[in-house]
Amino acid sequence: KQEVTQIPAALSVPEGENLVLNCSFTDSAIYNLQWFRQDPGKGLTSLLLIQSSQREQTSGRLNASLDKSSGRSTLYIAASQPGDSATYLCAVAGSNYKLTFGKGTLLTVNP
Amino acid sequence: NAGVTQTPKFQVLKTGQSMTLQCAQDMNHNSMYWYRQDPGMGLRLIYYSASEGTTDKGEVPNGYNVSRLNKREFSLRLESAAPSQTSVYFCASSRARVGPLNTEAFFGQGTRLTVV
Repeated sequence: KQEVTQIPAALSVPEGENLVLNCSFTDSAIYNLQWFRQDPGKGLTSLLLIQSSQREQTSGRLNASLDKSSGRSTLYIAASQPGDSATYLCAVAGSNYKLTFGKGTLLTVNP
Repeated sequence: NAGVTQTPKFQVLKTGQSMTLQCAQDMNHNSMYWYRQDPGMGLRLIYYSASEGTTDKGEVPNGYNVSRLNKREFSLRLESAAPSQTSVYFCASSRARVGPLNTEAFFGQGTRLTVV
């Protein structure tokens, strides 16, 4: 059974700092990995999708990497801003239509 | 630019009552999903529909039924609500037709359900 772990569970940083969020998964037979952002009381917003054949994806200040063989992904946020404060979720897609989610990292960026 | 739309946004039910959560997507996606999100448990798949006319159980289907009304709409029904079904429910869709979920998933804003 696929299990996804996100470390740390919570992170507080000053504005302007670069930061890394970690995601690990137990079964490397994945088709893709997706990073989401969730604001309090809101739905999930897709940030980046990395296919299993890719090593990284970039969107603006966000860069996600994938090492499928070691079961790890990182989300790098450059020059963090208070508006980046949210819960960040990673999810992996296997062969059964299902996205398996981690429990998220709660990020607080302090002005 | 609607994406995935869920109704209602909030609902309070009494134990034993029934209700249907509605979901519609305007992206011409083939696959649709229902998840529930609970503190400490993360998001768990209830049911999914890989294409119009098909539905399958996820990891927590007990107490729920679904209907893929057409390509746009996928509803979730609670026949006899229980306090354990208090949760936030999310609908999602993806372009993927067959095989694994190899395309991006888009989520609705959620329905916050309380069963008393």
